[in-house]
Amino acid sequence: EAGVAQSPRYKIIEKRQSVAFWCNPISGHATLYWYQQILGQGPKLLIQFQNNGVVDDSQLPKDRFSAERLKGVDSTLKIQPAKLEDSAVYLCASSDSGTRVYEQYFGPGTRLTVT
Amino acid sequence: AQSVTQLDSHVSVSEGTPVLLRCNYSSSYSPSLFWYVQHPNKGLQLLLKYTSAATLVKGINGFEAEFKKSETSFHLTKPSAHMSDAAEYFCVVSDFLTGNQFYFGTGTSLTVIP
Repeated sequence: EAGVAQSPRYKIIEKRQSVAFWCNPISGHATLYWYQQILGQGPKLLIQFQNNGVVDDSQLPKDRFSAERLKGVDSTLKIQPAKLEDSAVYLCASSDSGTRVYEQYFGPGTRLTVT
Repeated sequence: AQSVTQLDSHVSVSEGTPVLLRCNYSSSYSPSLFWYVQHPNKGLQLLLKYTSAATLVKGINGFEAEFKKSETSFHLTKPSAHMSDAAEYFCVVSDFLTGNQFYFGTGTSLTVIP
């Protein structure tokens, strides 16, 4: 079974530029998550999708961050404009909502450096 | 409210000696608990999970954890550390009242000394 795919793996941009990350979840997984992991901290949930609808985006900085999940499969996360404090690893995860315990499967992440 | 406290930010053990990574949780309902491992430049990998069945949970690579409700703890152990165990470990709590969202601890970095 293929895992969660993310691209790019690394990205370096200057502040005020824009950037986009892509995620392809495990086939058949209805729920998709985007997390931000700042160095030395645990991952923090940014947004959760169920199919192509948003379940929770309460911690997404909506003035600069946006995310979409068209057709309930792939998802993109965008930052525009980026700030220095956005430097982090962005993790995508998916889960099978059909199971009782919603174990999450994580991708390798995208490491973003904002200079 | 759900939260997780990982009591040690860094743990160092010698190869072949036992590993103990401590985790305390707070949950307003019957929680699910997980341990994930993160190797450098790799994604998070599930080690084991507790889902209200047996309180002693066995995971991959010889790790196990015991759910103790009275102590609100879910400590991770391994009888004998291997060099490949060196990584960052995260304890996670979740319950259905919060839509099964994951709440991560701040992580414990495990160093294994040869």
